[in-house]
Amino acid sequence: KNQVEQSPQSLIILEGKNCTLQCNYTVSPFSNLRWYKQDTGRGPVSLTIMTFSENTKSNGRYTATLDADTKQSSLHITASQLSDSASYICVVRGGSQGNLIFGKGTKLSVKP
Amino acid sequence: KAGVTQTPRYLIKTRGQQVTLSCSPISGHRSVSWYQQTPGQGLQFLFEYFSETQRNKGNFPGRFSGRQFSNSRSEMNVSTLELGDSALYLCASSLENWVRSYEQYFGPGTRLTVT
Repeated sequence: KNQVEQSPQSLIILEGKNCTLQCNYTVSPFSNLRWYKQDTGRGPVSLTIMTFSENTKSNGRYTATLDADTKQSSLHITASQLSDSASYICVVRGGSQGNLIFGKGTKLSVKP
Repeated sequence: KAGVTQTPRYLIKTRGQQVTLSCSPISGHRSVSWYQQTPGQGLQFLFEYFSETQRNKGNFPGRFSGRQFSNSRSEMNVSTLELGDSALYLCASSLENWVRSYEQYFGPGTRLTVT
């Protein structure tokens, strides 16, 4: 079954600290993997999109990695800010019909 | 360039009623996808339209339907509403369809509450 699992479910960190969010998937065949940030009450906003051949992609303080062999991805946030408080959603496109399969997200809270 | 817009932003309906939600994509985008987001299930794909044709469909009952107009605007309809249909409905647009891995841009969503 095509699934995307994210961990942890929630995370609280202090402002200025780094953190890493995990995403494991069992989607096959794999097309691409995206990380989205969703602020409360708003639609998701894309952070990165990675295809099979890409191992690392950065977007400012956000760095995503992809290991297609182990089917794992991570999102590393450097020097966190209060505005990073949001849900981070891992999405994999793939499967026989090329559907988008969503993880349930990691809720990150950055405290002062 | 204006972003994806969705109307209405909030809606309260009664069980058994039907509802129509509207989505206007970014100018020039031809693909529109719809998603349902609930606290328990997260984001779930409903369907995708490209050039007025439904190209992809998720695992939702037939009560959920949609259409796309020639100007790429899209509507989603839910008939015979159930309490479990209470959710945030998100629309996303992209330049091309899913095959080309184009970036998707989400709207702010319509919060539907069924009582």
